[in-house]
Amino acid sequence: KQEVTQIPAALSVPEGENLVLNCSFTDSAIYNLQWFRQDPGKGLTSLLLIQSSQREQTSGRLNASLDKSSGRSTLYIAASQPGDSATYLCAVMDSSYKLIFGSGTRLLVRP
Amino acid sequence: GAVVSQHPSRVICKSGTSVKIECRSLDFQATTMFWYRQFPKQSLMLMATSNEGSKATYEQGVEKDKFLINHASLTLSTLTVTSAHPEDSSFYICSARDIAGGPSGELFFGEGSRLTVL
Repeated sequence: KQEVTQIPAALSVPEGENLVLNCSFTDSAIYNLQWFRQDPGKGLTSLLLIQSSQREQTSGRLNASLDKSSGRSTLYIAASQPGDSATYLCAVMDSSYKLIFGSGTRLLVRP
Repeated sequence: GAVVSQHPSRVICKSGTSVKIECRSLDFQATTMFWYRQFPKQSLMLMATSNEGSKATYEQGVEKDKFLINHASLTLSTLTVTSAHPEDSSFYICSARDIAGGPSGELFFGEGSRLTVL
């Protein structure tokens, strides 16, 4: 059974810092991996989608990497801003095409 | 990007009543939609997979008679929480897969529906 773990569970940083969020999964047989952002009480905003054949994806200040063989992904946020404060969720699409979510990292960027 | 709309965004009901939540794909067709539940400060847990024109597939531990799912068209799936109880209070989120993206295509998420059962 696929399990997705995110570390750290919570993170508080001053504005301007570069930071890394970690995601690991137990079964490397995945189709893709997605990073989402969720604001309190809101739905999900897709940030980056990495197909299983890809190593990384970039969008603005965000960069996500994927090492399928080791079951790891990282989300790198450059020059963090208070508006980046949210919960970041990692999810993998397993062999049955279902999306399995991690428990998320709650990020607070202090002004 | 593709848009998935959920309605209502918030609903409060009395214990014992039934509540219907709609999930619509606005600019694409979806043969498959997924329903998730999220408790406070927890991650999303998949409840069921909704397939257009056929019965939904429920995850282990989810009562199919309590959470009725109907996927009558390529753009609409509904989740009905029957005889709701306070423990059913949660945030329900749907997602849909664009037919054009194939079975491993990107999933698009609705804004979620917060259910509070008094």
